[in-house]
Amino acid sequence: GESVGLHLPTLSVQEGDNSIINCAYSNSASDYFIWYKQESGKGPQFIIDIRSNMDKRQGQRVTVLLNKTVKHLSLQIAATQPGDSAVYFCAERGIGDYKLSFGAGTTVTVRA
Amino acid sequence: DAGVTQSPTHLIKTRGQQVTLRCSPKSGHDTVSWYQQALGQGPQFIFQYYEEEERQRGNFPDRFSGHQFPNYSSELNVNALLLGDSALYLCASSRDVGVVADTQYFGPGTRLTVL
Repeated sequence: GESVGLHLPTLSVQEGDNSIINCAYSNSASDYFIWYKQESGKGPQFIIDIRSNMDKRQGQRVTVLLNKTVKHLSLQIAATQPGDSAVYFCAERGIGDYKLSFGAGTTVTVRA
Repeated sequence: DAGVTQSPTHLIKTRGQQVTLRCSPKSGHDTVSWYQQALGQGPQFIFQYYEEEERQRGNFPDRFSGHQFPNYSSELNVNALLLGDSALYLCASSRDVGVVADTQYFGPGTRLTVL
């Protein structure tokens, strides 16, 4: 079936280093991808999105890369800060679909 | 500009009871989606409302129902509660732009505990 998943459930990173969070998806008909950050006790917070006609998109300290050939999505966070500690989810939406399908998430812990 | 709001924040019910959760979308948004998030998992899509009608539904039983009002706010109703319904219920709002996907913004959620 269709699924969106993350390669690693946890990631520990030193403050100031760059973080890379990976996500694999199986639905080749997906045309829209989005990254959310969820802190404990809060709802998911939008970080950045990308459509299937793009390979890369940059935001403030974040970059999303999309490789449609291998159905892989990644989120890069530059100069990771303590406030970046959270669970990160990738989600996808299929063509003609309205729902978002989420993976299980990656917990990022920033070490001081 | 207020974001997505949900009420109540927390709720405790017993098995067999019914519950209603409420959501007000972000200003300018006309579409509301509901998700269920079990502990340690990603959100699972329940359904989406647009123009006061359910236009897509996930793999949830009929015990889960909803409503959208003319002001775009929405309710999620769950009947005959089971222990397994304990979860964080998230509302997400977006702006309908036709076939092009628009970003869904989430509220803080309602934590439902079924005893």
